[in-house]
Amino acid sequence: DAGVIQSPRHEVTEMGQEVTLRCKPISGHDYLFWYRQTMMRGLELLIYFNNNVPIDDSGMPEDRFSAKMPNASFSTLKIQPSEPRDSAVYFCASTQGGSSNEKLFFGSGTQLSVL
Amino acid sequence: GEDVEQSLFLSVREGDSSVINCTYTDSSSTYLYWYKQEPGAGLQLLTYIFSNMDMKQDQRLTVLLNKKDKHLSLRIADTQTGDSAIYFCAESISGSARQLTFGSGTQLTVLP
Repeated sequence: DAGVIQSPRHEVTEMGQEVTLRCKPISGHDYLFWYRQTMMRGLELLIYFNNNVPIDDSGMPEDRFSAKMPNASFSTLKIQPSEPRDSAVYFCASTQGGSSNEKLFFGSGTQLSVL
Repeated sequence: GEDVEQSLFLSVREGDSSVINCTYTDSSSTYLYWYKQEPGAGLQLLTYIFSNMDMKQDQRLTVLLNKKDKHLSLRIADTQTGDSAIYFCAESISGSARQLTFGSGTQLTVLP
């Protein structure tokens, strides 16, 4: 398996523009997570899905952020409108639930810069 | 709530041992993890330890757990330049990925 695949690797945009980040989880994994990493706040869980259904979005910073998972092999995280404080690395991760020790697999991340 | 703390930086000479420390607050944590993040990459699970263990060894890696002090450490023997990365400690109450709490990460720099 190719692992968790994210695109794009880098995104530079201007304030006010819409940004869409994409993720393909590992095949067979039924949980998908979106994290944000910044120097100031470290690694933050934004939202996670189980079987394509959003379960906990309490980490989503505000209404400008939305996430979808239309099928088991694809998820998006959208920011509209984007702001400079959204600049961060966004990671997608997946795991197969149900074991006593669920191992999380991360993608390489999307480096977002909002100017 | 859960809180995981790590020192931010560590520098060692190539060939020496590195010890990265972590403290956590939730005594009900069942699994504790070490993740490695290389530059420009995502986090990769290095090793983990179950809470009923004191020590786990995996090649050059040794994990020590002191449950009484809620202290976790990762020792890397014979540290190499390829070990330069950010190391994250994480805890999970139930072993569930949905309940992972990460530390801030320790930047390990290996000097030649």
